[in-house]
Amino acid sequence: QKEVEQDPGPLSVPEGAIVSLNCTYSNSAFQYFMWYRQYSRKGPELLMYTYSSGNKEDGRFTAQVDKSSKYISLFIRDSQPSDSATYLCAMIGNYGNNRLAFGKGNQVVVIP
Amino acid sequence: NAGVTQTPKFQVLKTGQSMTLQCAQDMNHEYMSWYRQDPGMGLRLIHYSVGAGITDQGEVPNGYNVSRSTTEDFPLRLLSAAPSQTSVYFCASTKQGIYNSPLHFGNGTRLTVT
Repeated sequence: QKEVEQDPGPLSVPEGAIVSLNCTYSNSAFQYFMWYRQYSRKGPELLMYTYSSGNKEDGRFTAQVDKSSKYISLFIRDSQPSDSATYLCAMIGNYGNNRLAFGKGNQVVVIP
Repeated sequence: NAGVTQTPKFQVLKTGQSMTLQCAQDMNHEYMSWYRQDPGMGLRLIHYSVGAGITDQGEVPNGYNVSRSTTEDFPLRLLSAAPSQTSVYFCASTKQGIYNSPLHFGNGTRLTVT
């Protein structure tokens, strides 16, 4: 079993819909959780960063972490065509391990 | 402020050739790293550096060398290219380490080995 599982999709939604993405993980040492957004032919950019279980909101984006179930989610409300990108989850374990474990990425297409 | 700059953007190599992928950042970041991104595999860490003169191996280091003589530059060397090294390579940096600040990625080098 891979450390981080993310269904690669692709996922197509109409403009204005809610986009729901998720990752599961197997390593209970993961403590920090991130979502990166990657546009075509570009490098990933950090979208959300969270440490604790629960929800974190930033504008139209909500990151959710459930450490007991080893499950994280990203929700995009009122999706826009500019949200069309690949979304990667990433996580870090105990301090001293300088490695992010990334999911494979989930391609999202928002149709106008 | 250019951020993380990677050169070249594209490269085609023949099997057995060597080359260096360049990475430079102008943000005075201590931590720099190299990832490769392959379809169906996600991003995998090749090598990283927590400061000038210090490097360490990541998840997939075989076939690659790095050195860090300055804070700004972190080149990745392919010693003898193989088709399995066909990939998109990303350099990323952060101020104080991956726990304290976000990774800033370059826009990648697309490498094809024939």
